[in-house]
Amino acid sequence: NAGVTQTPKFQVLKTGQSMTLQCAQDMNHEYMSWYRQDPGMGLRLIHYSVGAGITDQGEVPNGYNVSRSTTEDFPLRLLSAAPSQTSVYFCASRGQGNWGEQYFGPGTRLTVT
Amino acid sequence: GQQVMQIPQYQHVQEGEDFTTYCNSSTTLSNIQWYKQRPGGHPVFLIQLVKSGEVKKQKRLTFQFGEAKKNSSLHITATQTTDVGTYFCALTGNQFYFGTGTSLTVIP
Repeated sequence: NAGVTQTPKFQVLKTGQSMTLQCAQDMNHEYMSWYRQDPGMGLRLIHYSVGAGITDQGEVPNGYNVSRSTTEDFPLRLLSAAPSQTSVYFCASRGQGNWGEQYFGPGTRLTVT
Repeated sequence: GQQVMQIPQYQHVQEGEDFTTYCNSSTTLSNIQWYKQRPGGHPVFLIQLVKSGEVKKQKRLTFQFGEAKKNSSLHITATQTTDVGTYFCALTGNQFYFGTGTSLTVIP
């Protein structure tokens, strides 16, 4: 099993550009989430999904969109990048409802200039 | 949303010294998880605590859940350089809430 994969590993965008961060998991997990990590702020939840076709907002959803057309994939879209979105982005998945451990991808380091 | 305070934010220890990080919540928790993130890496699950007063050990790591289920701690005995990283607690549910983490530096 590859676990949770994310692409790209690094990305530099100009303000106003859009892009999609890819996330895939091969563990047949129902739950998938996107987090951003900023120094001193821990991990903050952007959006999450409890299954294919179902998504919901987390703590910091503004400026981001998600969709979940399959169990495996959960892409994160930045609609119009801003410097405040410079961060490290982690995708995670878990099974077993609210009691399961989360498996994280390797992360995408995004810089917006 | 739920909030969890984690202290200290940073800790520098000499190799061989002990280390403890604490998570505190204003509300009663159903359970709590702990994760470790090595520098440049991603968070990795360590353990989950469910029962009031629960204590679990993993080699030199001891995890504790408070009697009132409002706080938790992670204690590392005789730290090693391999313990370097940031330790996070997390409140579970449909939405996970992570503490701000404690960054541990071990000085050889």
